[in-house]
Amino acid sequence: EAGVAQSPRYKIIEKRQSVAFWCNPISGHATLYWYQQILGQGPKLLIQFQNNGVVDDSQLPKDRFSAERLKGVDSTLKIQPAKLEDSAVYLCASSLAVGKRGGSTEAFFGQGTRLTVV
Amino acid sequence: DQQVKQNSPSLSVQEGRISILNCDYTNSMFDYFLWYKKYPAEGPTFLISISSIKDKNEDGRFTVFLNKSAKHLSLHIVPSQPGDSAVYFCAASARHFGNEKLTFGTGTRLTIIP
Repeated sequence: EAGVAQSPRYKIIEKRQSVAFWCNPISGHATLYWYQQILGQGPKLLIQFQNNGVVDDSQLPKDRFSAERLKGVDSTLKIQPAKLEDSAVYLCASSLAVGKRGGSTEAFFGQGTRLTVV
Repeated sequence: DQQVKQNSPSLSVQEGRISILNCDYTNSMFDYFLWYKKYPAEGPTFLISISSIKDKNEDGRFTVFLNKSAKHLSLHIVPSQPGDSAVYFCAASARHFGNEKLTFGTGTRLTIIP
């Protein structure tokens, strides 16, 4: 079974530039997450999709971050304009997420994109 | 507000001995707990989970214990092997309330000494 695919693996940009990350979840997984992991911290949820709808984006800095999941499969996360504090690893994860009381499963993570803003 | 806490940033254990990683949480709505393992330059990998209706779950060398009254869980690895050297994250979710979102701790770096 193919895992969660992310690209690029690494990205270095100057502050105020824009950047986009791409994620292809595991086939059949309805739920997709974007996490931000700053060095020395645990992953923090930015946004959660169920199919192509947003379930939770309460911690997404919406003035500069945006995400979409067209057709309920692939997803892109964009930062515009980037700030120095956005330097982090951006992790995409997916899960089956059967339903509120169903046998939903653990999330599977991609390798992440390491973003450095200089 | 750190709802999931891993107070030990690092832990060193002799090969063959037991490794015990601890995690505390503050949110009473959490009802599902997971441990993830992370190697450098890779994404976190699911290790083991436990529902709040249980107090223990075992999978091979890995056992997770949950103490709901203390809001504490621990991961036991026995015997510890060099390949277990990694960063371990504790995570929690409130699935009964329809929230799949994982809240992570800050991680514990485990080093197994040969």
